Amino acid sequence: EIVLTQSPATLSLSPGERATLSCRASQSVSSYLGWYQQKPGQAPRLLIYAASNRATGIPARFSGSGSGTDFTLTISSLEPEDFAVYYCQQRSSWPRTFGQGTKVEIK
Amino acid sequence: EVQLVESGGGLVQPGRSLRLSCTGSGFTFGNHPLSWVRQAPGKGLEWVAFIRSKAYGGTTEYAASVKGRFTISRDDSNSIAYLQMNSLKTEDTAVYYCARDGVEMATYYFDYWGQGTLVTVSS
Repeated sequence: EIVLTQSPATLSLSPGERATLSCRASQSVSSYLGWYQQKPGQAPRLLIYAASNRATGIPARFSGSGSGTDFTLTISSLEPEDFAVYYCQQRSSWPRTFGQGTKVEIK
Repeated sequence: EVQLVESGGGLVQPGRSLRLSCTGSGFTFGNHPLSWVRQAPGKGLEWVAFIRSKAYGGTTEYAASVKGRFTISRDDSNSIAYLQMNSLKTEDTAVYYCARDGVEMATYYFDYWGQGTLVTVSS
């Protein structure tokens, strides 16, 4: 099973700041990595697929990069609605696995 | 508009069974693989089960934690996916989400999710 490790666990930032979230895989997942956003009481929402492609309707301030074992989600300038928990997920092999999540909170 | 609506959650005793349903609308249901993903209270996301479209054999995959106890199935004529959960354990307590795999864009990523249904396993 591929283990995804996200860091940091919590990111405390102010609106307008840049957020950089990391996801590291225990073995290569090529570019088969996605990022999801989840707000309290809501279902997750797909942000990024195939490491760097924005899903439909996702603002350009969200970007993804990386391949192999190291991936990054960047939010260029945080909006109030971006404070949430973010999960990475691999679809390279079964079982599909998620990282443990990074909470982006208001400083 | 794509929609997935889960139902069937509730309180159940350990060792008993429960069947969840996921009804899709706004898209060609039979074209898409589907998964169930769960989230224990205050915890992260855990993929549980997957079923391919009939065009790809309708075959299934399961997480080790539920293999042999849970069964995913689909009824494309009624746009419904099911999760039959047997021999439930307290650790199965979670919100269960139905999630659709993309097939044109975001291929095999969870591009749409339902709102979730809560399953509580307790005596």
